[in-house]
Amino acid sequence: QVQLVESGGGVVQPGTSLRLSCVASGFTFNTYGMHWVRQAPGKGLEWVAIVWYDETTKYYSDSVNGRFTISRDNSKNTVHLQMNSLRVEDTAIYYCARGTNLDSWGQGTQVIVSS
Amino acid sequence: DVVMTQSPLSLPVTLGQPASISCRSSQSLVYTDGNTYLNWFHQRPGQSPRRLIYKVSDRDSGVPDRFSGSGSGTDFTLKISRVEAEDVGVYYCMQGTHWPPTFGQGTKVEIK
Repeated sequence: QVQLVESGGGVVQPGTSLRLSCVASGFTFNTYGMHWVRQAPGKGLEWVAIVWYDETTKYYSDSVNGRFTISRDNSKNTVHLQMNSLRVEDTAIYYCARGTNLDSWGQGTQVIVSS
Repeated sequence: DVVMTQSPLSLPVTLGQPASISCRSSQSLVYTDGNTYLNWFHQRPGQSPRRLIYKVSDRDSGVPDRFSGSGSGTDFTLKISRVEAEDVGVYYCMQGTHWPPTFGQGTKVEIK
């Protein structure tokens, strides 16, 4: 079955960096686009970024554009989110999700940005 | 960005009774290929979201048939024919037609 497992979250100070990873299994990873979606404490879902199946195309939300970078390694069935210049408002659970219409989600990894 | 507006934001329901959630988009969600990429997700407390419905009315595998989606253009509805205890949580609509994908604010369903 499809499985997505995120890791890399933690507690960091504003202005620092963090790299999230999502390891996929149970499907042909290199045929699916992959998303990152986040959820701030007590809030709704916010789409963050997407990378095409072949990494030729990437899109970002305005709130992270220029600070976050999405990438993937199809040899390792892994998608990453490099987060730089972190802000307090980036505090959230970060989920990876599969495919154009987010048909499968991981359990999430928590990122807390606090001084 | 396309704004997705859900109503109500809170929905107390009685077990065994029907429930309905509305989702409206600020633009038509009909894509150039003729499909309408409107999805519904359910998030139970402490869990990650799970997709229930895609392309307005197609149920995902394993989703009970008491869940149904309908609508077109800018107006969409998720209906639960008979609410069960496991249906509590927050329901989100999401459009995938226009970039970037956007979610509704969420509708919290709880048992009366």
